[in-house]
Amino acid sequence: QQPVQSPQAVILREGEDAVINCSSSKALYSVHWYRQKHGEAPIFLMILLKGGEQKGHDKISASFNEKKQQSSLYLTASQLSYSGTYFCGTEGSSNTGKLIFGQGTTLQVKP
Amino acid sequence: NAGVTQTPKFQVLKTGQSMTLQCAQDMNHEYMSWYRQDPGMGLRLIHYSVGAGITDQGEVPNGYNVSRSTTEDFPLRLLSAAPSQTSVYFCASSYGASFSYGYTFGSGTRLTVV
Repeated sequence: QQPVQSPQAVILREGEDAVINCSSSKALYSVHWYRQKHGEAPIFLMILLKGGEQKGHDKISASFNEKKQQSSLYLTASQLSYSGTYFCGTEGSSNTGKLIFGQGTTLQVKP
Repeated sequence: NAGVTQTPKFQVLKTGQSMTLQCAQDMNHEYMSWYRQDPGMGLRLIHYSVGAGITDQGEVPNGYNVSRSTTEDFPLRLLSAAPSQTSVYFCASSYGASFSYGYTFGSGTRLTVV
């Protein structure tokens, strides 16, 4: 079942922060986050496995609440290069290889 | 190391024609998947594979066939093209989530069915 992302779109000024949420109605084994720029392929950002961990690199981090079947992507001090569409992908309760993506969140960072 | 290679990059088909989209990876990834992306839409899973000889259906498998005879290759076959199959097709591969590994995507095939 497709995860639900919110918000659908975000407009920021450089330096502002953003949070993108991803929720599922089913138990999850893993949550993936990807960014896609217009006309390009999606690029992998990070993966979180069940266990309630938080990950991050540079100014982008993510959390995974296994009990609530939710994940959030945190973008701090946004840069122009952060613009694009962000997708979360979820994999069911075991490592099945069946990765289902949400509908995407469009992020636009303005100078 | 070429990553995930998709061919062709562009294709125009007539309704009813069949064709095969090629996907090859040189990273020794066990997991491979095919997605389609329609304008303004997300990525929808067509078929996926967790190893050679193993394939399974995704969210939108109708009208498509796959096979996985080797670890490297995962071709997607359109049986009888329809205008509704006009889309961008992405192939992706991974070692699998248990290794904390995400998917590497190919550059895509832009297919138009007229």
